[in-house]
This record gives sequence, C-alpha cells and structure tokens, in this order.
Amino acid sequence: EAQVTQNPRYLITVTGKKLTVTCSQNMNHEYMSWYRQDPGLGLRQIYYSMNVEVTDKGDVPEGYKVSRKEKRNFPLILESPSPNQTSLYFCASRRSRAVYGYTFGSGTRLTVV
Amino acid sequence: SQQGEEDPQALSIQEGENATMNCSYKTSINNLQWYRQNSGRGLVHLILIRSNEREKHSGRLRVTLDTSKKSSSLLITASRAADTASYFCATDDTGGFKTIFGAGTRLFVKA
Repeated sequence: EAQVTQNPRYLITVTGKKLTVTCSQNMNHEYMSWYRQDPGLGLRQIYYSMNVEVTDKGDVPEGYKVSRKEKRNFPLILESPSPNQTSLYFCASRRSRAVYGYTFGSGTRLTVV
Repeated sequence: SQQGEEDPQALSIQEGENATMNCSYKTSINNLQWYRQNSGRGLVHLILIRSNEREKHSGRLRVTLDTSKKSSSLLITASRAADTASYFCATDDTGGFKTIFGAGTRLFVKA
C-alpha cells in the first residue's frame, strides 16, 4: 500500500531532551515536507526537501533540523524541545508539484512538558 | 506566513444540501489544492487545479479558480454526514518550493 509512515504517533517528552520523529514513504517521491498544525493556525511548513541531500527551510524552521540521506526517509529532529513545540506534526510526500497533491502521514502528536 | 484564507471558518448544513467554501490567497501561484481532514488525522488530497485552469470536477466536488481575484471555491454537492471534516486550501508559490496552507473551514453535515 502506498503510504507515508510516521513514528511515533504520540510522544510526551521533557524540555531539552533530544528527539527524532521518523518519516518514511514507499512511493519513490522526490519531494517531502514537514508541517506542524496548531489550533486556529492551520498547517505551517517547517522544512521541505526536493531530493536526496537537498533541503530548505519553510516558514517555521526554528528549533528543528531535518536530513535527507535516502529518498524514502525524512526524519525531523528536535535537538532541545521546548513547550512551544507542543503540536501535531505531519510528514508528507509528493510525486510532482505540478500535478499531484501531497500524501500525508497519520501525524505525530508531541507534548513537551 | 499564511497564504490561503478560508471562508467561512465553520459551516453547518443538512444532509443533501450543497456546501461551498472559499479560499483567498495573496501571491502568484502555480496551482491550488484542496484537502480534507477528519478530526486529528492526516490530510487527504481532494483536487488540484492549475493556475491556467478555471474549473475542475471530481465526483461531487467542483473547484473554481479566479486568478484575477486570487480566490478559489470548493463546492460539495448533495452533502453527506460522512463529509463532516475540515477542509483546507493550499497553494504552491511560483517562486520556490513552498506549499502554504490556510487555516481551514470546518464543515458539519447533519443527518
């Protein structure tokens, strides 16, 4: 089944403890992206990647890191999480920006205490 | 920065009625997409309309795009209770690789 898989689905952590949210897609998509969703703010783009080893900042990149060493994987790293990073996170991938929309993962609900 | 702004923020209708949601955006775009999200789950892509297209259909969905007004509308005909969800528009800008989402319209269809 074609899908984007995120793990974990839920995570509660403490301030300052480094964490990684994994994202993997099995559709050979070149384009991948991370979003966070907060009430009343919609989805805001954190980082995106156009291909292996090619990444760029979205609108809210502060406090996050990403890497794209393989085409299928695009992990999101929080080096020192803070409570304002409590949010619902989505990874998404896309075959072509011209004609296809995103395929989204199921989301990761992160709470930083 | 928010690009797409949906209107209304919330909409409640009876099953069988049509639902119309609007989206406005600010900059030049390559295309505009509509997505559905059921409570807290991942978004599902519904339809993409390119900047040189004016109207597109998919089943009970009809999307229009007016680039002169920088606006789009999503019409769901003969709504069903299962259409209850949040609907988001998103735009691909022409200058780079960003995709920007609006804050969404919450649709509630009463059976």
